[in-house]
Amino acid sequence: AQTVTQSQPEMSVQEAETVTLSCTYDTSENNYYLFWYKQPPSRQMILVIRQEAYKQQNATENRFSVNFQKAAKSFSLKISDSQLGDTAMYFCAFLTIRDDKIIFGKGTRLHILP
Amino acid sequence: DAGVIQSPRHEVTEMGQEVTLRCKPISGHDYLFWYRQTMMRGLELLIYFNNNVPIDDSGMPEDRFSAKMPNASFSTLKIQPSEPRDSAVYFCASSVAGAPNEQFFGPGTRLTVL
Repeated sequence: AQTVTQSQPEMSVQEAETVTLSCTYDTSENNYYLFWYKQPPSRQMILVIRQEAYKQQNATENRFSVNFQKAAKSFSLKISDSQLGDTAMYFCAFLTIRDDKIIFGKGTRLHILP
Repeated sequence: DAGVIQSPRHEVTEMGQEVTLRCKPISGHDYLFWYRQTMMRGLELLIYFNNNVPIDDSGMPEDRFSAKMPNASFSTLKIQPSEPRDSAVYFCASSVAGAPNEQFFGPGTRLTVL
């Protein structure tokens, strides 16, 4: 069975700093997708970034980038120049191409401090 | 597009009462997912539909929970009778068939059972 593990329940960083959120997963599949979702205090789940496993290049979306290490089954999220609006719960998620269900991690609560 | 629409946004009810949560997916999306989010258990998939047909309801906690999707633009999640332990935020999400099957979430319904 596929699992997603986020080992950091909570983190705090100062505004403008860079922060990295960790995520590891376990699967025997070779083709899959990885996602980072953000859930701010408004509760709305928002897709931040996604990575296709067959792509070696790490995905980047403005200040958000990932470090995808397929052999290590690691998928960390880096937020550069963090802003107060980045304060949220962040969920790492996994989806195989053979399945329809996304597997979510337990989440990391990130606080950006002024 | 208005995105995934859920109603009500908040629901407070007394134990034993029937509760119905509603969801309108994004037009054209083939998949609809119901999730429950609690502090203790995180984000749990309850059930999902493909083309209005329930595909996997293994996450439905017990017979008190039921879900229907009578057409492509509407789904309900019903709890009868409700219990205090059902208190949670319930999310609906939809996606279109084909990789990477990114899910778009609604704003959620916060349910409180007294």
